[in-house]
Amino acid sequence: GESVGLHLPTLSVQEGDNSIINCAYSNSASDYFIWYKQESGKGPQFIIDIRSNMDKRQGQRVTVLLNKTVKHLSLQIAATQPGDSAVYFCAENLLTGNQFYFGTGTSLTVIP
Amino acid sequence: SQTIHQWPATLVQPVGSPLSLECTVEGTSNPNLYWYRQAAGRGLQLLFYSVGIGQISSEVPQNLSASRPQDRQFILSSKKLLLSDSGFYLCAWRDRAQETQYFGPGTRLLVL
Repeated sequence: GESVGLHLPTLSVQEGDNSIINCAYSNSASDYFIWYKQESGKGPQFIIDIRSNMDKRQGQRVTVLLNKTVKHLSLQIAATQPGDSAVYFCAENLLTGNQFYFGTGTSLTVIP
Repeated sequence: SQTIHQWPATLVQPVGSPLSLECTVEGTSNPNLYWYRQAAGRGLQLLFYSVGIGQISSEVPQNLSASRPQDRQFILSSKKLLLSDSGFYLCAWRDRAQETQYFGPGTRLLVL
């Protein structure tokens, strides 16, 4: 479900290191998941998605891992760059439904 | 390609005044449309979604309303704004043939 009342957790990493951002989702029936990146003052930007019939999906410098057993989603960013600094949200959805439910978000800060 | 527009980008309104925020989508037809609100440093709260012209589903009871007068136009309104209505309002769309939800640039509303 939605976690709109919580303050954002934060993650700081050194430039060039790998980042791992975690998300616990709530509905075991959710079958589609998205990671978004939101820079300050802008709308969320799609990064990568994954369906529940997959455990892993890779994009350019990003990998999403899905563990349905524990309802856990993670986003791995390789060789993190200063431009990766943003808030990252996961979203879950039932493909038969219309609504997306968002995690609290994690604020990533990349230290040059 | 599809694009989504929101206006105005920023709005300062006195308490008790009316509100009208507009969202339009280009390059697709019969999309699902969504209004979210985001308080500073917080997650995304779904306010309304629409699966077609004149069809509105409300997620949170409040003094806001939504309308969809045209297929690719979604409007968020209020007759009398409250201080608590301040926030970042995001419109999003989802193509029926795809799975992903895409966001607009957002409208920053400050109620004084």
